[in-house]
Amino acid sequence: EDQVTQSPEALRLQEGESSSLNCSYTVSGLRGLFWYRQDPGKGPEFLFTLYSAGEEKEKERLKATLTKKESFLHITAPKPEDSATYLCAAPPYSGAGSYQLTFGKGTKLSVIP
Amino acid sequence: KAGVTQTPRYLIKTRGQQVTLSCSPISGHRSVSWYQQTPGQGLQFLFEYFSETQRNKGNFPGRFSGRQFSNSRSEMNVSTLELGDSALYLCASSPGTGGALQETQYFGPGTRLLVL
Repeated sequence: EDQVTQSPEALRLQEGESSSLNCSYTVSGLRGLFWYRQDPGKGPEFLFTLYSAGEEKEKERLKATLTKKESFLHITAPKPEDSATYLCAAPPYSGAGSYQLTFGKGTKLSVIP
Repeated sequence: KAGVTQTPRYLIKTRGQQVTLSCSPISGHRSVSWYQQTPGQGLQFLFEYFSETQRNKGNFPGRFSGRQFSNSRSEMNVSTLELGDSALYLCASSPGTGGALQETQYFGPGTRLLVL
């Protein structure tokens, strides 16, 4: 069973058209929810870390939010340079001693000029 | 601060050969994790090292191994390469200071391995 699920798999937006990406997780006792951006052929670039339900973080046109069951990455007035694959990740279980991340399959965002 | 560096960036090998990839973490970071990324499976955890000890291991065969040195630099080795080992291998570092919450991991640019 996937513990981190992202939707949609792909999203095409017109420049300036705001939208949201979803990341749902099944791990109880979440110890962190992470968002990364990945450009083709490159390593994931860190965006946000969220630890508590209700927490929000913003960076330029991006805002990440967290509830008890899911996280959203809101993109406001996107530009073509926001085109990338956005990855969500969480530790696979709640107990201390897990130093790994389980990643969702990602949402490939394309912003059309 | 310099980011995570990985060498080499690209590798071409043939089936049956072995390969060693290297990772230098962010200065001061003591935890190094390795991931394999393929189009079909996405990002999958290989193993994590801290203070030269493997703390976590993912569900990969024993052909995949790693180690960490006293300066926190890490290497991973894949023996008897198979075509399916073609992938982007990513290294990530984190402070390793511990605690109940998961630390943010910072990724390197990856090593692209092609097995022919």
